Amino acid sequence: KNQVEQSPQSLIILEGKNCTLQCNYTVSPFSNLRWYKQDTGRGPVSLTIMTFSENTKSNGRYTATLDADTKQSSLHITASQLSDSASYICVVSALTGGGNKLTFGTGTQLKVEL
Amino acid sequence: NAGVTQTPKFQVLKTGQSMTLQCAQDMNHNSMYWYRQDPGMGLRLIYYSASEGTTDKGEVPNGYNVSRLNKREFSLRLESAAPSQTSVYFCASRNMGDWELFFGEGSRLTVL
Repeated sequence: KNQVEQSPQSLIILEGKNCTLQCNYTVSPFSNLRWYKQDTGRGPVSLTIMTFSENTKSNGRYTATLDADTKQSSLHITASQLSDSASYICVVSALTGGGNKLTFGTGTQLKVEL
Repeated sequence: NAGVTQTPKFQVLKTGQSMTLQCAQDMNHNSMYWYRQDPGMGLRLIYYSASEGTTDKGEVPNGYNVSRLNKREFSLRLESAAPSQTSVYFCASRNMGDWELFFGEGSRLTVL
């Protein structure tokens, strides 16, 4: 069964500090992995996509990594800001005969405090 | 840019009542989706429409029906609401060949 596990479940950090969120998956056959940011009361918004051949990709202060061999991804946030407080969701896509099938993680709830 | 618009944003129902959640997108996307989001669980797919005129069941379709009214609009209907359908519902859309989902703001439904 395809599964996506995220850790930690929740995290509190001080503004300006860095943090790393983890995503482990058992999705097969792997197509791509996306990180979404979901602000409270809003819908998820895509931050970045990782394909099989990509190891690292940055989007401003967000850097995603992918290790396809160990089936792990991480999202590193640099110099955190209060606006980074949100849930971060890892979504892994499996390539099936009927098209891509998405498996969602349960998210990491990040709170950035002063 | 409106993107994906859902109505209503909040709704309280009594058990057995029916209602329809409306979704419209203005990005000319072919595919549209309905998800539900519950605490401690990932987003789960209820129904989807790969293109205008087609609909298919997702992971948790029981108790729901959908209509793809045209390319822009995709509605979700609860015929006889149950407390287990208390959830936040998200509509999403995507363009052909690209698996980035664009989500609406969500509709919070409470069934008493």
